Amino acid sequence: DIQMTQSPSSLSASVGDRVTITCQASRDISNFLNWFQQKPGKAPKLLIHDASNLETGVPSRFSGSRSGTDFTFTISSLQSEDIATYYCQQYDDFPYSFGQGTKLEIK
Amino acid sequence: QVHLVESGGGVVQPGRSLKVSCAASGFMFSSYGMHWVRQAPGKGLEWVAFIWYDGSNRLYADSVKGRFTISRDNSKNTVYLQMNTLTAEDTAVYYCARGDYHGSGSYSPDHWGQGTLVTVSS
Repeated sequence: DIQMTQSPSSLSASVGDRVTITCQASRDISNFLNWFQQKPGKAPKLLIHDASNLETGVPSRFSGSRSGTDFTFTISSLQSEDIATYYCQQYDDFPYSFGQGTKLEIK
Repeated sequence: QVHLVESGGGVVQPGRSLKVSCAASGFMFSSYGMHWVRQAPGKGLEWVAFIWYDGSNRLYADSVKGRFTISRDNSKNTVYLQMNTLTAEDTAVYYCARGDYHGSGSYSPDHWGQGTLVTVSS
């Protein structure tokens, strides 16, 4: 099974800051990686698919990249509405797996 | 637009069964695989099961294999999750999600329902 190691588990930042979350796959998953945003009491929302492709309607301050088995999610300028928990997820091979999540808070 | 609505959650005693449903609209349901993903209270996301667009193949997480069964009725645009021999560890919000094909046998869970809470407790 593929393990997804996500870090950090929590993050405190100020409005306007650049925020970066990383996810490492235990083996090659090509570009089959999603990034989700989940707000309290809500379903996860897909922000980025195929490692770096922004979903329609998602603000351009969100971005994703890949280097081998390492994946990076970036918010270029944090907004107050970005407060949420973020998850990476691989869909290269079953069983699909998620990272542990990163809880993002405003400093 | 894509709309998924789960139902059937509730409180069930350990060892008993429960069947949850997910009604789909806004897309060609019979052309998409479907996932179930769960989230225990205060915890992260766990993939549970996937069914092919035509029901010809089904895959499960080890944690539910042999106890849970995913099925679908394309005439009703609905996917189901039959859960047997439930334990407290199955307590979670259960989400259905559409599986969008991305090539090489990969199905990204792109659109999600709002979830239905299953609580296993005596």
